[in-house]
Amino acid sequence: GAGVSQSPSNKVTEKGKDVELRCDPISGHTALYWYRQSLGQGLEFLIYFQGNSAPDKSGLPSDRFSAERTGGSVSTLTIQRTQQEDSAVYLCASSLVGGRSNQPQHFGDGTRLSIL
Amino acid sequence: GESVGLHLPTLSVQEGDNSIINCAYSNSASDYFIWYKQESGKGPQFIIDIRSNMDKRQGQRVTVLLNKTVKHLSLQIAATQPGDSAVYFCAENTRKDAGGTSYGKLTFGQGTILTVHP
Repeated sequence: GAGVSQSPSNKVTEKGKDVELRCDPISGHTALYWYRQSLGQGLEFLIYFQGNSAPDKSGLPSDRFSAERTGGSVSTLTIQRTQQEDSAVYLCASSLVGGRSNQPQHFGDGTRLSIL
Repeated sequence: GESVGLHLPTLSVQEGDNSIINCAYSNSASDYFIWYKQESGKGPQFIIDIRSNMDKRQGQRVTVLLNKTVKHLSLQIAATQPGDSAVYFCAENTRKDAGGTSYGKLTFGQGTILTVHP
């Protein structure tokens, strides 16, 4: 498909384990974003990539959270030593460009993360 | 309209009626706004956007109105259909500096639940 692809779609893990969430943006989109959505809530910004650089990582809630992007394409969000409060849907979005030229962000269907 | 907290605003309409969903934003430096539709188990789906140099934009069956004076945004859906039932979010992108560079992130409202009855 041509949309944003995220994997896995669901992840259940035990407290204290590390998890990796993957995002494949729309081909040609240089900007990539990670958000978190808790049950019944709006979306909370985590980090923004322009190419492989992250000019804004202000939304990462703690140093247990990190993200990288390689080749200007795929991004991985890693949560170390997971806690129950990390349970949420993690959404990835991409846009044609970021910053000065406002373009709509297009979202994947997210990874539903449950910490036992 | 939007509210902060766990209880989302709800709007119930009959099929064929017009729907209006409201959103208040707080940052006068925001210069780009988007409406998204989110169905259960799915990611937000782009509906329509508007830049701050406009006050109205129309799409297919949808119209977005922007009132910068009172920092208010609305989404109008014409001839609402059962398939329009979903949670609707407004989102804003804030201008970072006088040169127009924007922060990358979107700030989302809490959402409004739209239910369309056949």
